[in-house]
Amino acid sequence: DSGVTQTPKHLITATGQRVTLRCSPRSGDLSVYWYQQSLDQGLQFLIQYYNGEERAKGNILERFSAQQFPDLHSELNLSSLELGDSALYFCASSANTGTAYSYEQYFGPGTRLTVT
Amino acid sequence: GQQVMQIPQYQHVQEGEDFTTYCNSSTTLSNIQWYKQRPGGHPVFLIQLVKSGEVKKQKRLTFQFGEAKKNSSLHITATQTTDVGTYFCAGPKHNQGGKLIFGQGTELSVKP
Repeated sequence: DSGVTQTPKHLITATGQRVTLRCSPRSGDLSVYWYQQSLDQGLQFLIQYYNGEERAKGNILERFSAQQFPDLHSELNLSSLELGDSALYFCASSANTGTAYSYEQYFGPGTRLTVT
Repeated sequence: GQQVMQIPQYQHVQEGEDFTTYCNSSTTLSNIQWYKQRPGGHPVFLIQLVKSGEVKKQKRLTFQFGEAKKNSSLHITATQTTDVGTYFCAGPKHNQGGKLIFGQGTELSVKP
């Protein structure tokens, strides 16, 4: 158990819909990362938050957005869903302070999103 | 842009055989991390290498960081069925704090 929790575990929805994925980081970790994992794309970094502020952005679509709340949990919002958005979405957390040094990341169990 | 490449993509071995996966970065890395993802699971941190030429061992796993800090390898001696999974290397994105760039991973299958 990594200490990172994600809900829901599975999500099945239709094209055009909007969903919210939730993540609670390990106790004490200020950084939260979101990744998308699909069969043909590997682990793709989406976005990082540190203590409530966006810190780094990856190949995140404009239809996707995220935020980190004062209690440090994070939500990833996916809207206007397309079939190609079907994937595993992982949240990870680390003690990273936002400096150049990178700490190890602890991954949650993931949310499997299926868009039909 | 900055890339991290891993080879091979797949490796099938007989139990007891050795296994090696290689990781190459397009840029010099301040450190490199290795993760393992079991089938149906999530990536789990294995180790971080920081120094040029560093070698670290975890039981049957040996991790190396190249002298130029642009490549790394993971070697497993005498594989076991419990070693099955995908092994990822990851390096920090230059000047972007904790953001990691993951390699595509090497999927290891072990035949008993």
